[in-house]
Amino acid sequence: QQQVKQSPQSLIVQKGGIPIINCAYENTAFDYFPWYQQFPGKGPALLIAIRPDVSEKKEGRFTISFNKSAKQFSLHIMDSQPGDSATYFCAASMDSNYQLIWGAGTKLIIKP
Amino acid sequence: DSGVTQTPKHLITATGQRVTLRCSPRSGDLSVYWYQQSLDQGLQFLIQYYNGEERAKGNILERFSAQQFPDLHSELNLSSLELGDSALYFCASSPLAGAGEQYFGPGTRLTVT
Repeated sequence: QQQVKQSPQSLIVQKGGIPIINCAYENTAFDYFPWYQQFPGKGPALLIAIRPDVSEKKEGRFTISFNKSAKQFSLHIMDSQPGDSATYFCAASMDSNYQLIWGAGTKLIIKP
Repeated sequence: DSGVTQTPKHLITATGQRVTLRCSPRSGDLSVYWYQQSLDQGLQFLIQYYNGEERAKGNILERFSAQQFPDLHSELNLSSLELGDSALYFCASSPLAGAGEQYFGPGTRLTVT
């Protein structure tokens, strides 16, 4: 019940396409859902996050869609660029808890 | 730059040895988290400290220990090292008592030979 399932494991998209990465959770007590971006050899960096009181959040070219009833959330990258090639992690947590539950990660490659 | 610093950047040591990894959180952040990331793997949560006290434990081996000092910096001690301990070790900090936003340091790459 504590798991966050992330898919796909890897994704290749042409430049300008819209990669979509999906995450699903079971624990309805989760109330914070961040996405992190990690480049090789670097630490993960917080990209965008959402709370379950909204269904969508946009920051620049990055959008989180949140479906509370389906217990799913996804990351969309608009007008993707080769520089977006990285590993993306979703996560979830409860304010009453002290740790993020992480998805397994998606390795995204944007082809020029 | 997240504001979280980690030293050293790289560490090469032999099996059976002991090493200490150091982390300084962002100014004002009270929580420190430690993670292990093996090659092309996900993030394994090890342990969390909040204002000097242990708050949560993940998949941390008994050979590993950590502490957070009064100035809020943290150290992760790894002993009796094995080849399988080779990994990137990340520290993250958060301004909240709960797990809200976490800001990651650049990591320490440990190689055990």
